[in-house]
Parts: sequence; structure tokens; C-alpha cells
Amino acid sequence: AQTVTQSQPEMSVQEAETVTLSCTYDTSESDYYLFWYKQPPSRQMILVIRQEAYKQQNATENRFSVNFQKAAKSFSLKISDSQLGDAAMYFCAVDSNYQLIWGAGTKLIIKP
Amino acid sequence: ETGVTQSPTHLIKTRGQQVTLRCSSQSGHNTVSWYQQALGQGPQFIFQYYREEENGRGNFPPRFSGLQFPNYSSELNVNALELDDSALYLCASSDRDRGRGTEAFFGQGTRLTVV
Repeated sequence: AQTVTQSQPEMSVQEAETVTLSCTYDTSESDYYLFWYKQPPSRQMILVIRQEAYKQQNATENRFSVNFQKAAKSFSLKISDSQLGDAAMYFCAVDSNYQLIWGAGTKLIIKP
Repeated sequence: ETGVTQSPTHLIKTRGQQVTLRCSSQSGHNTVSWYQQALGQGPQFIFQYYREEENGRGNFPPRFSGLQFPNYSSELNVNALELDDSALYLCASSDRDRGRGTEAFFGQGTRLTVV
């Protein structure tokens, strides 16, 4: 069975600084997708970034980038130049046969 | 804002009652997935509907059932409500024909409280 582990229940960062959120996963599939979603207090999940497992190049979306280590089954999210609007719960997820398997989330606090 | 709408936004029910939650999918999407998110936890997959057929189910009992309509909107029904069913229920809309990894768009969820 696929599992996703986020070991940091909460992280805080100073505005404009860089923060990295950790995620490890386990899957028996050879080809899969990994996602980071953001859930602000409005509750709506918003896709931050996704990575296809067979692509070795790390995905990047503006201030958001990932460090994908396939052998280690690690998928961390780096947020550069943190902004107040980045404050939210961040969830790592793996696609398993069109279903998303989620981690428990990391609460990100931005200090002004 | 996504084009995915869930109703109602909040709901309070009594243990043993039945509830129906609704989700309108985004235009052009043929797949709706339902997730249960307990307080302080990540979402758990309930089931998925693709072109009106159930296509995958998580570890939830049969009293959780669903339906997808020809316009691809969907309902989640829960019978014999238990206190542990209290959670945020999320609906996600996607186009499965675009293959794996396609983005799923979420609604704002329905907060169900069972008392």
C-alpha cells in the first residue's frame, strides 16, 4: 500500500526567507506522480506543484521548487522569498491509480 | 476560484441519520473524487466516479455511497451516521481522459458535524 509521511507538523519562516517542507513516500509503482497541495483557511485545496516520477529534472513553479530523490523516495518542497500569503497547511500526495494518497500535512507559519 | 462547487458548506446531523452532500464538477471534467478529511489530518480517499461509474474505492464501509449524474455532478450519501463521520468532505473534479497526473480541482468542502 502507498503511504506518505510528512514529519514536520509545523514550520515557521521569516517573511522573504526560504523554507523547505519534507515528504517521504512509499509506493510499489514504477511510474507515478507526486504533488504538493496548499490548503489555506478557506479549506480549498490548491495545487502548488507536481512531479512525474520518471522525470529526473526537479519541477519548478516560480518561487516553489521540489527536490525529488526517487531512490530515497523523498519529495521536499522549497519555498523561496516566503510571503504572508504562503501561510497555510501544505500536503504532499502521491497518485495511486488516479487516487491521491495524502500525508498528514505541515502547517506553515510566516512571520512578518 | 475553481469551478467546483460543494453544497452545503456546513451541516449538523444527529447520529443515526442520513446525509447527502453534493458536488458540481468543473466544465469539461468527467471524474469526481470524494475525500474525507478529519480535523488535523490529511484527506482520505472515499471513492471516485468516472463517466457515471464508480471507479475505485477506499477503505470506507458500504454506508458511504455515491452517484454521478450525466452532467458529471456527483452526490455522496452517508447512512447511519456515526460520531466519527464528523469531518470535512472534499470533492475533486478532473478529466481522467488526460491521463495520470492531471490536476484535480477541489471544492471548498462540506463541514459535517455529527452530534
